[in-house]
Amino acid sequence: GEDVEQSLFLSVREGDSSVINCTYTDSSSTYLYWYKQEPGAGLQLLTYIFSNMDMKQDQRLTVLLNKKDKHLSLRIADTQTGDSAIYFCAESFQTGANNLFFGTGTRLTVIP
Amino acid sequence: NAGVTQTPKFQVLKTGQSMTLQCAQDMNHNSMYWYRQDPGMGLRLIYYSASEGTTDKGEVPNGYNVSRLNKREFSLRLESAAPSQTSVYFCASSAVTPGTAYYGYTFGSGTRLTVV
Repeated sequence: GEDVEQSLFLSVREGDSSVINCTYTDSSSTYLYWYKQEPGAGLQLLTYIFSNMDMKQDQRLTVLLNKKDKHLSLRIADTQTGDSAIYFCAESFQTGANNLFFGTGTRLTVIP
Repeated sequence: NAGVTQTPKFQVLKTGQSMTLQCAQDMNHNSMYWYRQDPGMGLRLIYYSASEGTTDKGEVPNGYNVSRLNKREFSLRLESAAPSQTSVYFCASSAVTPGTAYYGYTFGSGTRLTVV
């Protein structure tokens, strides 16, 4: 399957910005997504970006896509303790099987 | 509340026992999925159903079977549970927009399965 890679852990201080990174191998992906998983819960869609876009901003969230380097990032401004969770990037394709390919997830810990 | 409902939330099985994980969605989505989540490995697709009446294998189908009972329900069966199947299982559904590859999944809250 497609390889989607993320760092496993990230710690930041409350109020700082968090940047969670993701790299993928298949450049034909059409949409890329960020999901958030809080403890004991399912995954919640945070945001997504179409592959012909470079950037998408939604309140405290900024998604950057570098197609040349196959690199996706999620920046969370003014990180709060409630942002502590596991963040997954994922990609989908216009052809092939109907499913998402997920990264390994990054556990974000916000230190008060 | 609209969404994806999974039952049970927790289960302990002995090796060799069988069980069925239930999933139902009330959003009229065509596509449904079963994933397992293991530490450090992200989510891996077990089986999916692109539409009512069809099912296909995902990345890790061995030891599992599925049934798309109707548009709402998609069950996952373990015929003879093994300790390697200890995991958290998530069901998801999606309304696939024709002509695009947008898959905004809605996830259930998961089933935590332990096989001893």
